[in-house]
Amino acid sequence: AQSVTQLDSHVSVSEGTPVLLRCNYSSSYSPSLFWYVQHPNKGLQLLLKYTSAATLVKGINGFEAEFKKSETSFHLTKPSAHMSDAAEYFCVVSDRDSSYKLIFGSGTRLLVRP
Amino acid sequence: NAGVTQTPKFQVLKTGQSMTLQCAQDMNHNSMYWYRQDPGMGLRLIYYSASEGTTDKGEVPNGYNVSRLNKREFSLRLESAAPSQTSVYFCASSGEGSGGPGRAYEQYFGPGTRLTVT
Repeated sequence: AQSVTQLDSHVSVSEGTPVLLRCNYSSSYSPSLFWYVQHPNKGLQLLLKYTSAATLVKGINGFEAEFKKSETSFHLTKPSAHMSDAAEYFCVVSDRDSSYKLIFGSGTRLLVRP
Repeated sequence: NAGVTQTPKFQVLKTGQSMTLQCAQDMNHNSMYWYRQDPGMGLRLIYYSASEGTTDKGEVPNGYNVSRLNKREFSLRLESAAPSQTSVYFCASSGEGSGGPGRAYEQYFGPGTRLTVT
């Protein structure tokens, strides 16, 4: 079965420093991959998606992610953190056997220190 | 263009009471979904509707029923609420059809309903 592992439950960075949120997936094929962000008491917002085109995917708010098949990773990065980036981030993979199901990681909470 | 809307935003129920969570989307999407979110567990799929007139079980369907009322609306019903159903519930929708197995399209989420069962 497919799964997605977010390697850190919490990440803390200083404002203006780089952000790295790590995600590994287990899959025997090239899935669709997504990153979503959830601000406190809000719904989930799509940051970016990978669907087998370019391996480096650019998203909203300066985030990007690189699909590395050999490492089964899809890490999320941003060169310079902003206070407004503080939120929970979910790495998501499409289910191999379904056109509709997504499998969510358990989330990484990003704290940005002033 | 409101996207995905959910009502109510908050609800407190007593064990054994019933209620229906409402969801509507104005993006002309074919597919709609209900998830629950519990601390440390990400989101888990309760039911989904690939298209109007169809519904299917997800990962955690027990204790819930759904109705796809029309293309826009997808409701979730708790017939006899239990404390284990205390959670935040999200509705989502996704675009026309899909990319095929393993190629799910991105989903768009509503703001959530925070449900407490005492």
